[in-house]
Amino acid sequence: DAKTTQPPSMDCAEGRAANLPCNHSTISGNEYVYWYRQIHSQGPQYIIHGLKNNETNEMASLIITEDRKSSTLILPHATLRDTAVYYCIVRSNAGGTSYGKLTFGQGTILTVHP
Amino acid sequence: GAVVSQHPSRVICKSGTSVKIECRSLDFQATTMFWYRQFPKKSLMLMATSNEGSKATYEQGVEKDKFLINHASLTLSTLTVTSAHPEDSSFYICSATSGQGTGELFFGEGSRLTVL
Repeated sequence: DAKTTQPPSMDCAEGRAANLPCNHSTISGNEYVYWYRQIHSQGPQYIIHGLKNNETNEMASLIITEDRKSSTLILPHATLRDTAVYYCIVRSNAGGTSYGKLTFGQGTILTVHP
Repeated sequence: GAVVSQHPSRVICKSGTSVKIECRSLDFQATTMFWYRQFPKKSLMLMATSNEGSKATYEQGVEKDKFLINHASLTLSTLTVTSAHPEDSSFYICSATSGQGTGELFFGEGSRLTVL
């Protein structure tokens, strides 16, 4: 699976949009971009995923560049509870006995402050 | 989203004893489950992949005799840390997928093991 690069940390003011970048320059055509987050001492929580089109759900929006080499996760109105480590992961959805396997990088520590 | 539950959430044991952690998919059948461990301030590290009814596949460097994984049913996988030592103290997290759709992975709440 392709490697991703994320900034180690970011700050955001409460109520403002949080834009978390991710570079995945070696992504291949059948690989999806997934975003998860992990709040301290909890299991990771799924946020959103996409292949090439922009995606939006109740939690966030995912903007993928046309060449698919980078993406941005947008939390439109960050709250204090959004403080967490955010992981961008690129993964193929091809079948097989390891279907679903995710390899985590270091992620971005997002701190939302009042 | 689908629910994955782990038990116990916290366990403290003496060095040399064995500890079993359970991972259950509550509202879907999990064809594949994954076990991760996480040290403080570090990312999740995949330990092994388990498919129902077959032997687990361990990542390089993970001792299969130390970390016994059993995936006996489509809703339950267990991780047994055998002869635990203080260096095995960690946060263990399981995840599961139904193998359908785009293979979305659902995570348990994690189990914090402390070996004295």
